[in-house]
Amino acid sequence: DSGVTQTPKHLITATGQRVTLRCSPRSGDLSVYWYQQSLDQGLQFLIQYYNGEERAKGNILERFSAQQFPDLHSELNLSSLELGDSALYFCASSTTVNTEAFFGQGTRLTVV
Amino acid sequence: QKEVEQDPGPLSVPEGAIVSLNCTYSNSAFQYFMWYRQYSRKGPELLMYTYSSGNKEDGRFTAQVDKSSKYISLFIRDSQPSDSATYLCAMSEPGGGADGLTFGKGTHLIIQP
Repeated sequence: DSGVTQTPKHLITATGQRVTLRCSPRSGDLSVYWYQQSLDQGLQFLIQYYNGEERAKGNILERFSAQQFPDLHSELNLSSLELGDSALYFCASSTTVNTEAFFGQGTRLTVV
Repeated sequence: QKEVEQDPGPLSVPEGAIVSLNCTYSNSAFQYFMWYRQYSRKGPELLMYTYSSGNKEDGRFTAQVDKSSKYISLFIRDSQPSDSATYLCAMSEPGGGADGLTFGKGTHLIIQP
């Protein structure tokens, strides 16, 4: 158990809908990362937060947004969902910026 | 040129063999180097973490970093069928770069009983 908790584990939704993925980092970790992993693809960096502030942004679509709350948990919001958004979404956390990160078990999103 | 290159495999070796997994990179600013193991559709698990150059050993695993060649390696001794997984290298700049942790695409390793 990495100490990073992601909910829900599985999510099935229809095209055009909006979903929210939640991540609770390890105790004491200030940095949270979001990654997308499509079938047989590598980890695509979406966005990073550090202590509530956006720290870095990767190839995140405009339909996607995220935030980190004062209690350090983070949410990833995906809207106007398309079939191609079906993927595993991972959250990771680290104590500071860009040091060793620990991953949650992911949320498997299926858009039908 | 991709920032981190990693042979996707699959790499198939017999049980008990020494496995060598490698990544090359182009960004000389990378200072933190990590290896993750990912079982199918599960969250990546951190195996090794190294700062700058040198070797680090943890049980059956040894990580090596050669910054002059921009080349990192993970060695697995006495490989077991349970080591069959995808191995991802990751690296980052001190103080943070623009892309969080940069990952290779992973090498699929198969240990044959």
